[in-house]
Amino acid sequence: QKEVEQDPGPLSVPEGAIVSLNCTYSNSAFQYFMWYRQYSRKGPELLMYTYSSGNKEDGRFTAQVDKSSKYISLFIRDSQPSDSATYLCAMTPTGANNLFFGTGTRLTVIP
Amino acid sequence: DSGVTQTPKHLITATGQRVTLRCSPRSGDLSVYWYQQSLDQGLQFLIQYYNGEERAKGNILERFSAQQFPDLHSELNLSSLELGDSALYFCASSAGGTGAYEQYFGPGTRLTVT
Repeated sequence: QKEVEQDPGPLSVPEGAIVSLNCTYSNSAFQYFMWYRQYSRKGPELLMYTYSSGNKEDGRFTAQVDKSSKYISLFIRDSQPSDSATYLCAMTPTGANNLFFGTGTRLTVIP
Repeated sequence: DSGVTQTPKHLITATGQRVTLRCSPRSGDLSVYWYQQSLDQGLQFLIQYYNGEERAKGNILERFSAQQFPDLHSELNLSSLELGDSALYFCASSAGGTGAYEQYFGPGTRLTVT
């Protein structure tokens, strides 16, 4: 079993929809949780990170962490065609030096 | 643009050969991380260097090695290449040596082994 599980999709939504992307994990030592966006043939781009449980909002993006359920989510409001990409969750314990990634969810926002 | 640069963008080589991938971190960042991304495995951490010294090791094969130079650029050396080494190789950088949660990735090198 992988330490981080992510539904690969693909996920297709109409423009303006609310998108929910999720990951589950098994390692209770994970404390930092990141979301990366990766366009085709590009490197991953850090969208946001959160520490421990709770919510964090940045523009149209909201990250949620539920450590009791070992479940994290990324919500995208008013989705745009430019949001079409693969979204990767990543996480790491405090003080660790490497990230553990999910396999990514491919999202397509249809105009 | 993350500020992390990688060369070359594409590399095609034959089995058994050796290649070197190069990475320059963002200005001011002291840590460099190498990752391999394949279709079936996703992004896998290989190795981290901080200010010239190896700091952490992940799933890096013995045929692979890396180093970080005094100017902080890093090179990943892949030898005795096999078909299964075909993948995207990413470099990332961060400011510190620990607490890897804020890493910035380069555009990657696509390696094809034929």
